[in-house]
Amino acid sequence: SAVISQKPSRDICQRGTSLTIQCQVDSQVTMMFWYRQQPGQSLTLIATANQGSEATYESGFVIDKFPISRPNLTFSTLTVSNMSPEDSSIYLCSALTGGAGDTGELFFGEGSRLTVL
Amino acid sequence: GQQVMQIPQYQHVQEGEDFTTYCNSSTTLSNIQWYKQRPGGHPVFLIQLVKSGEVKKQKRLTFQFGEAKKNSSLHITATQTTDVGTYFCAGPVNDYKLSFGAGTTVTVRA
Repeated sequence: SAVISQKPSRDICQRGTSLTIQCQVDSQVTMMFWYRQQPGQSLTLIATANQGSEATYESGFVIDKFPISRPNLTFSTLTVSNMSPEDSSIYLCSALTGGAGDTGELFFGEGSRLTVL
Repeated sequence: GQQVMQIPQYQHVQEGEDFTTYCNSSTTLSNIQWYKQRPGGHPVFLIQLVKSGEVKKQKRLTFQFGEAKKNSSLHITATQTTDVGTYFCAGPVNDYKLSFGAGTTVTVRA
């Protein structure tokens, strides 16, 4: 299993600013992901955070807007850059503890609720 | 790409009644997972189904994976207020990524 801590849990941000969300896992995990969940919607995968290399982004998400770091097996950050009201959402960090080829249980952090004014 | 469809989007249930939510994929899935997200909370893993025709139970929750491994269902009996939340099914896109359905949001009338 894995316990994931995210911070901040929520924030109110001004348009044009950037915010970095931190994600800490209590154990080494194979895969880490960042999801976005807009109000009342499902989870949309932003990117896979790769340890020591550039993240792998999903269609519609780019590194300039959502830079991601993963310096080790237990920590990752997501930055939401140059924010606009459309970026208001819950951002969820998640982790997979299984090996390659194993879409086992996905653990989620508590989420970071961002409101952009 | 593979997409998982889920219905209904909303389910309003009288306490004590049963209901079912359905998940369908256009392609055969190697497995399917179900998650529950309580209001204000984060998704929590419920179960993973792997075998064709598999049925698993967790107390009042019954999960089923179709014979063709393209559909799944979650049936809840004797609904309680603790069942409130959104239930998501999720299917693998590749070796490690999941595609989540739209979710079924359940509210319970006492």
